[in-house]
Amino acid sequence: DGGITQSPKYLFRKEGQNVTLSCEQNLNHDAMYWYRQDPGQGLRLIYYSQIVNDFQKGDIAEGYSVSREKKESFPLTVTSAQKNPTAFYLCASTLDSYSGANVLTFGAGSRLTVL
Amino acid sequence: GESVGLHLPTLSVQEGDNSIINCAYSNSASDYFIWYKQESGKGPQFIIDIRSNMDKRQGQRVTVLLNKTVKHLSLQIAATQPGDSAVYFCAENRGTYKYIFGTGTRLKVLA
Repeated sequence: DGGITQSPKYLFRKEGQNVTLSCEQNLNHDAMYWYRQDPGQGLRLIYYSQIVNDFQKGDIAEGYSVSREKKESFPLTVTSAQKNPTAFYLCASTLDSYSGANVLTFGAGSRLTVL
Repeated sequence: GESVGLHLPTLSVQEGDNSIINCAYSNSASDYFIWYKQESGKGPQFIIDIRSNMDKRQGQRVTVLLNKTVKHLSLQIAATQPGDSAVYFCAENRGTYKYIFGTGTRLKVLA
């Protein structure tokens, strides 16, 4: 079945550590996204990538970094510069169509907790 | 689930009744809207979508209504079942890569 695989599902980080969340998709989608979800808030965009080797900052990019070396993969690194990283992180993708109806497909999420 | 909506509005419905979940959006230029269902600890699942040139779209047991005049979207679930219990949120698409998400409504189905 096609889909988006995020790993790990649960991750614990100590203060000052960088951690990387994995996101892999086999949907042959062009664009990939990282969102952060906090209780009582709508999803907030961290980064997105339209094509390989290109990505753009979203609304809350500070303290995060990404890479897009392959179409299928879009890992997110949460750096020590992110002061409040405890959250649920969602990776998503869209098939770029110019019809204006691009459904975001989401992975199952990764929960990061700072100890 | 703790990952979503500790402080969300909650809609409680009796099993078998119809549910209506509402969403207000802010940008009249948004041209595409999506409803998602999110169960505890899981990623959001697509339910139904609608483009701005429509005012109603039906799926299996679900209907989305779009009122562009008042910038309001609603999701109707017919014959609500226990498996429908989840958080539901809307998304508006403003341009190819920009999506704005509502905070969500928790639906509780009472047996």
